[in-house]
Parts: sequence; C-alpha cells; structure tokens
Amino acid sequence: EVQLVQSGAEVKKPGESLNISCKGSGYRFTSYWIAWVRQMPGKGLEWMGAIYPYDSDIRYSPSFQGQVTLSVDKSISTAFLQWSSLKTSDTAMYYCARLGGRWPNAFDIWGQGTMATVSS
Amino acid sequence: EIVLTQSPGTLSLSPGERATLSCRASQSVSSRSLAWYQQKPGQAPRLLIYGASSRAAGSPDRFSGSGSGTDFTLTISRLEPEDFAVYYCQQYHDSITFGGGTKVEIK
Repeated sequence: EVQLVQSGAEVKKPGESLNISCKGSGYRFTSYWIAWVRQMPGKGLEWMGAIYPYDSDIRYSPSFQGQVTLSVDKSISTAFLQWSSLKTSDTAMYYCARLGGRWPNAFDIWGQGTMATVSS
Repeated sequence: EIVLTQSPGTLSLSPGERATLSCRASQSVSSRSLAWYQQKPGQAPRLLIYGASSRAAGSPDRFSGSGSGTDFTLTISRLEPEDFAVYYCQQYHDSITFGGGTKVEIK
C-alpha cells in the first residue's frame, strides 16, 4: 500500500524550533516529489513548497520562502519540514502529499497531517 | 501567481440533488493542470479529479469535472450523504495554488 505517515502532534513556544517528518512507503520514494500544505484552523489549503527526493530539488511558494526549510533523507524515505524560530501564527495542521507525476502535478497521496500548536 | 476563486462559498443542498461548483482562474490554465480535492472534517484532503476531467482512483462516477481556460466546474450528479464536505480546486499549470474552497452542506 502506498502511504505517507507523518510525525505526531507538536506543542511549542514562540521562538522554538520544530521539525516534522513524512515517511513514504509502498513506492519508490526518490521518484516522486513531496509537497507540504498548511491549513490554519478553520481555513483553506495553502501550498508551502515541494522537494524532489532524488536530487533534493526544491520549489518554495513565495509566501513561505525563507520562513521554512524543506529537506529529505533518502536513506529512510523521509521528508522534513523545519522551522528555526516559530511564531504563534505557525499554529496549523500541516500535510505532506505526493505529487502524482513530474513537477508540477496533482497530489495523489496525502499524509494524515501533523498539528503544530505554538503558544506561550 | 495564478489566483483561483471558487464559488459559491457555501452550497446548501439535499441528498439526491445535483451540485455544481465553480473554479475561476486569474489567467488561463491548461486543462491538463486542474485538480479537485474533497476534504471531510478531521480528515486529510483526497484527490477526486485531475487533468480537469479525469477521475482519480476510487472516485465515484457521480463526480465529474469539466472546463478550460479560466473556468472549471466540478459536478456531483446526485449527492450522497458522504459527499457533504469541502471541495478545493488546485492549478498546477504554473507552480501550484489552491482555491479558497466550497463547502457543500446539508440543507
């Protein structure tokens, strides 16, 4: 079964760092882009960026460039979304998703989501 | 950046009725590069339609997509109870952007 499994919910304070993960299985991980999507409470979907595990090619949404860092560890088929200094406005559900083909493409497989809560 | 505007914001219908959802792009989008997703409360989104009109694996045939250029439509021919959800369009013609969503609620 093709699936993406994300790390668990996080509670952090402003200024702290955060690293959430997304592990792919059931397919060749290096052959498909992984995207990240933010959903703030009660709001819609926002594409943040995407990474191609084969060569770590990265595309960022202009809205998120410089705010987060995408990375990947091919050896464990896992993509990461990182913040160096969180803000309360980073409180949201974060989804990873697989692109169904070469860049850019629709998202055919989604992770279950990781809720990040940032509060003092 | 291509901006997608979905309308209406909320659609109130009864089971068995037909639902028509609109997605308008700020500039022309290839019909190969428009997708629709369904999201139910507490769940991750699910791909329904890609390439404007191709159903994703597992999508029931009551869901259909159409359109070209700047105007695209998702039609649900007869609403089932499990279809009440939020629907998002997405373009992947020029980078990636999502529309704001349409909520289909029970009337």
